Amino acid sequence: GQQVMQIPQYQHVQEGEDFTTYCNSSTTLSNIQWYKQRPGGHPVFLIQLVKSGEVKKQKRLTFQFGEAKKNSSLHITATQTTDVGTYFCAAKNNDMRFGAGTRLTV
Amino acid sequence: NAGVTQTPKFRVLKTGQSMTLLCAQDMNHEYMYWYRQDPGMGLRLIHYSVGEGTTAKGEVPDGYNVSRLKKQNFLLGLESAAPSQTSVYFCASSYLGLAPYSYNEQFFGPGTRLTVL
Repeated sequence: GQQVMQIPQYQHVQEGEDFTTYCNSSTTLSNIQWYKQRPGGHPVFLIQLVKSGEVKKQKRLTFQFGEAKKNSSLHITATQTTDVGTYFCAAKNNDMRFGAGTRLTV
Repeated sequence: NAGVTQTPKFRVLKTGQSMTLLCAQDMNHEYMYWYRQDPGMGLRLIHYSVGEGTTAKGEVPDGYNVSRLKKQNFLLGLESAAPSQTSVYFCASSYLGLAPYSYNEQFFGPGTRLTVL
């Protein structure tokens, strides 16, 4: 079945440093979504990527979808305390599987 | 709009007891989902529904049942609770579902924290 690996599991950065989390699938995906969950909160949708090689930006966040549509990344430039939380990818092929998440502390 | 609401917010059960978690959405979404979230394991889909009167199994359906009698409500039942079902349960809804190439931004409820002793 579809496997979704997300790395790293945890990441601590100093405020102002950059942060990247990676999502890798064992199968080719139709699309991938990213969610953010603040401590004690619920997942909130950030973005969806559909096209091979797609890059989307939201202020300091940059999302990429791999050329082979098997991997994706989320990069945050100059992290702030408001970025704290767990970032999940949700990879969709025939069904949707969430990665285990990367917990970011600042 | 309230979005997605869940009842109750917290619950403690003894092994073997039963309970029902209620999810309601006011966005007229066709698709609704139940997930469980455990430390280090992300969100795992229990059951989902693609419309009123329909349900389907997700990744971890054993020990749970669901019903979607009304479009706005999705119920998750535990017939005989076990300690392994201690978790945080999230309900979500979306316009479109899990078919390939469909767009389905999911809106999540606040969650229910369930402890089974």
